[in-house]
Amino acid sequence: EAQVTQNPRYLITVTGKKLTVTCSQNMNHEYMSWYRQDPGLGLRQIYYSMNVEVTDKGDVPEGYKVSRKEKRNFPLILESPSPNQTSLYFCASSPRARQETQYFGPGTRLLVL
Amino acid sequence: AQKVTQAQTEISVVEKEDVTLDCVYETRDTTYYLFWYKQPPSGELVFLIRRNSFDEQNEISGRYSWNFQKSTSSFNFTITASQVVDSAVYFCALQRLNNNDMRFGAGTRLTVKP
Repeated sequence: EAQVTQNPRYLITVTGKKLTVTCSQNMNHEYMSWYRQDPGLGLRQIYYSMNVEVTDKGDVPEGYKVSRKEKRNFPLILESPSPNQTSLYFCASSPRARQETQYFGPGTRLLVL
Repeated sequence: AQKVTQAQTEISVVEKEDVTLDCVYETRDTTYYLFWYKQPPSGELVFLIRRNSFDEQNEISGRYSWNFQKSTSSFNFTITASQVVDSAVYFCALQRLNNNDMRFGAGTRLTVKP
């Protein structure tokens, strides 16, 4: 089944403890991206990747890192999480970087205490 | 700058009523995509429709219909004969064609009461 998967789905952590949220797609998509969803703000893009080894900042990249070492995986790294990063995170992918519908993962709920 | 405005934060209707969710967007691009996504209480994002800016034809899919008016920069979504299962947050989004830059509205929470 074609899908975007994220792990973990739920995570409670403490300030400063490094964490990684994984994202994987099995559709051979070139483009992948991360969004965060906050009440009243909709979804905002954190980082995106046009292809392997190509990443770029979205609207709200501060406090996050990403890597794209292989096509199927696009992990989101929080080196030193803070409470303002408590959010619902979505990974998305599309076949190419242009003119394509993005397919979203199931979301990861993160709580930083 | 790209921007999507969903002025209705919350809407509550009784089952079988029709309801329209408004979406107004701003962009300098001449070509772009518009989307509607549904987010049920379980949290996932469900793709509903994508509309190319070239195509201003209205679309109907079952109880759902979309009214795209480029002249007023609006892409409104109507649910006919609403059902309890339609209760969700609905997002409108605007996507640039050259780099997949996607901007979401803040969402409209629809509650359909039995």
